[in-house]
Amino acid sequence: DGGITQSPKYLFRKEGQNVTLSCEQNLNHDAMYWYRQDPGQGLRLIYYSQIVNDFQKGDIAEGYSVSREKKESFPLTVTSAQKNPTAFYLCASQPGQNNGYTFGSGTRLTVV
Amino acid sequence: AQSVTQLGSHVSVSEGALVLLRCNYSSSVPPYLFWYVQYPNQGLQLLLKYTTGATLVKGINGFEAEFKKSETSFHLTKPSAHMSDAAEYFCAVSVPGGGGNKLTFGTGTQLKVEL
Repeated sequence: DGGITQSPKYLFRKEGQNVTLSCEQNLNHDAMYWYRQDPGQGLRLIYYSQIVNDFQKGDIAEGYSVSREKKESFPLTVTSAQKNPTAFYLCASQPGQNNGYTFGSGTRLTVV
Repeated sequence: AQSVTQLGSHVSVSEGALVLLRCNYSSSVPPYLFWYVQYPNQGLQLLLKYTTGATLVKGINGFEAEFKKSETSFHLTKPSAHMSDAAEYFCAVSVPGGGGNKLTFGTGTQLKVEL
């Protein structure tokens, strides 16, 4: 079955460490997105990519980086520059213009 | 730029009662509108969407929503709440042909269903 897979589901990071969250889709969708979710704040856009080898900053890109070397993959790196990284991270893909997103099941990152 | 406002961050209903979750949008052109549901520690699942055509849209799990241009609203309803409907609901908007296809989400409404 086609879908979008995020791994790991839970991730613990020590302060000062970089960590990479995986997002893979086999839906042949062109666009992919990363959102951060905090209680009471809804979804905030971190980065997005419309096509391979191209991506744009969202509303809260500082302290994060991404790559889009393959259509299927859009990994997110949370760097040590992100001061408050503990959150629930959601990856999504979109088949084309003005269609809804398909979401992964999320990764909960906790800084310890 | 488009925006979405969800009135009421928490809504509580009795089992069997009507569910009404409110969503108002702002857009300079006719928008595309979406409702998503999220269960704890999971991703979002599409409930229904409005793009063009019939303004009353039916979705999964017995939910429906009506696009009202004059009121800039897209409220979500269900005639009879079930315990399994307890979740967080998000309204979202996108603008045809613009905005890079991105969806803009509301801040969510937590639905509680009581016996």
